[in-house]
Amino acid sequence: NAGVTQTPKFQVLKTGQSMTLQCAQDMNHNSMYWYRQDPGMGLRLIYYSASEGTTDKGEVPNGYNVSRLNKREFSLRLESAAPSQTSVYFCASSELGRWTEAFFGQGTRLTVV
Amino acid sequence: QKEVEQNSGPLSVPEGAIASLNCTYSDRVSQSFFWYRQYSGKSPELIMSIYSNGDKEDGRFTAQLNKASQYVSLLIRDSQPSDSATYLCAVNSNDYKLSFGAGTTVTVRA
Repeated sequence: NAGVTQTPKFQVLKTGQSMTLQCAQDMNHNSMYWYRQDPGMGLRLIYYSASEGTTDKGEVPNGYNVSRLNKREFSLRLESAAPSQTSVYFCASSELGRWTEAFFGQGTRLTVV
Repeated sequence: QKEVEQNSGPLSVPEGAIASLNCTYSDRVSQSFFWYRQYSGKSPELIMSIYSNGDKEDGRFTAQLNKASQYVSLLIRDSQPSDSATYLCAVNSNDYKLSFGAGTTVTVRA
């Protein structure tokens, strides 16, 4: 009964390095989301995937790319990390629009130095 | 103007008191409204949802919605130390977009 699993939980990158944040859900949800959370800003949507095979930009997509690998997995890639991308990243899944049934992963705390 | 604004807090209340949290939103077509609780270092968890004007009660929590005033609130009655957390207001205006406020941190003093 894992729900939404994110890896890694913590990461420190140097400016310019790349990395991929992994997210997997076992609830058979069609829709998956990536958010970032910064102090005083709430959660902001980076990208979402309404269903397998589709991805769309959210509020703050610049500097990120995503891949919906299959129905279970949705990854977030930072091609060239910048200090402004220091944040806590949350993956979530739901059926599209059914936010009462949305589940969040444990979060990835990323620091870019 | 932010889409969802919350009283910034922090809010400190004595154990047993009522904690009152407020949220306003800018998009008049918003249909669904949510309150999430987030403990420090943890992910958000849904505690209340409300869709129509009026009050909705669930245990010690009451959500209130006034669409004309674009206002949502959360009352926590008989506050307990375990209620100490950050509370996030979230508003849904279309299928994919859930907009969050910055959150209000509540501390319940024993």
